[in-house]
Amino acid sequence: QVQLVESGGGVVQPGRSLRLSCAASGFIFSSYGMHWVRQAPGKGLEWVAVLWYDGTNKYYADSVKGRFTISRDNSKNTLYLQMNSLRAEDTAVYYCVRDAARTPPSYYFDYWGQGTLVTVSS
Amino acid sequence: EVVLTQSPATLSLSPGERATLSCRASQSISSYLAWYQQKPGQALRLLIYDASNRATGIPARFTGSGSGTDFTLTISSLEPEDFAVYYCQQRSNFGGGTKVEIK
Repeated sequence: QVQLVESGGGVVQPGRSLRLSCAASGFIFSSYGMHWVRQAPGKGLEWVAVLWYDGTNKYYADSVKGRFTISRDNSKNTLYLQMNSLRAEDTAVYYCVRDAARTPPSYYFDYWGQGTLVTVSS
Repeated sequence: EVVLTQSPATLSLSPGERATLSCRASQSISSYLAWYQQKPGQALRLLIYDASNRATGIPARFTGSGSGTDFTLTISSLEPEDFAVYYCQQRSNFGGGTKVEIK
């Protein structure tokens, strides 16, 4: 069965960096676009970034553009999110999400991880 | 940017009742809309895509309808496990959510 397991969250000071990882299993990881979606405590969902199956195309929400980088290692079935210059407003649970289509991404999210909490605080 | 507005924010119903959730888009999005269910401690679940297609394994009591700017998710008869928060989504845009709670 499809599994997405995020790791790397924690408490970090404003302005510092953090890298999230997502270990994927149960499907051909290299065939699917992948996304990060976040949810601030008690709030709704916010799409963060998408990366195509082969890593050729990536797009970001305006709120993170220039600070976050999405990447993948298809040989390790792992998705990453490098987060730099973190701000208090980046505090959220970050979900690793599989796109329902192979290519191009459909922006329908058919499998979600349980999420990892990132808290940005001094 | 498309803005999705969900209503009501909270729906208080009893098991067995019919739930009708609304999602309105700020401009026409054709049928490019999905619905998700979020329950505490569980992974989010895709219910409906392309406005009216049920995702794999989703019970028939969940029905999506609409096109253009007005969309509806209907749960024909609420089961205890259906009390949750529901989100509509179009590409990178999510609605604010509707919480379906037990009356």
